[in-house]
Amino acid sequence: NAGVTQTPKFQVLKTGQSMTLQCAQDMNHEYMSWYRQDPGMGLRLIHYSVGAGITDQGEVPNGYNVSRSTTEDFPLRLLSAAPSQTSVYFCASSYGTGTGNTIYFGEGSWLTVV
Amino acid sequence: AQKITQTQPGMFVQEKEAVTLDCTYDTSDQSYGLFWYKQPSSGEMIFLIYQGSYDEQNATEGRYSLNFQKARKSANLVISASQLGDSAMYFCAMREGRTTDSWGKLQFGAGTQVVVTP
Repeated sequence: NAGVTQTPKFQVLKTGQSMTLQCAQDMNHEYMSWYRQDPGMGLRLIHYSVGAGITDQGEVPNGYNVSRSTTEDFPLRLLSAAPSQTSVYFCASSYGTGTGNTIYFGEGSWLTVV
Repeated sequence: AQKITQTQPGMFVQEKEAVTLDCTYDTSDQSYGLFWYKQPSSGEMIFLIYQGSYDEQNATEGRYSLNFQKARKSANLVISASQLGDSAMYFCAMREGRTTDSWGKLQFGAGTQVVVTP
């Protein structure tokens, strides 16, 4: 049981480049989300999805795109990377309403934009 | 406005002692959930304990217990018999509401860094 898998773990980008952070879960969870963690702060929600084909914005969505074509995968796209997007990114998944209270996190992806 | 407040940026605790990490929250929802996560220096987020707003008993998980005071809107984490491996950043988080839309949306505090000394 792999849980929540994020790739890559580390990435350095140049300003203006685009990239995709991959997230996959094998627990058949309806709910998936992306957070970013900046130094000295807690995690902040970027985008989330309540099921395949459904996505919505979180607290800090600007500069990021998401899609959810399958239950398992929830990639996060940086369209034109900026130094302000240097952060640690976490993908998370959980069951939908009424089924369990645990939210599972991936191991994180460290992104540096130079 | 900050929904989750952790007022202790850092704490030192001696091995085998208990430590209490403070967390206060702000919500107008009747239904909400409170989570505590541990983040060691390796960076992963480790789930520790959960308390639902309608739970009458304080949550416990091994050496972790949650001191839930609903009227005061506080959800303090107590770690008993601290171990060197407990050194980490600890985050309090809240989920508001019980709709499908809210189920996986967490709001985090800024965290408390705990250092356990021999």
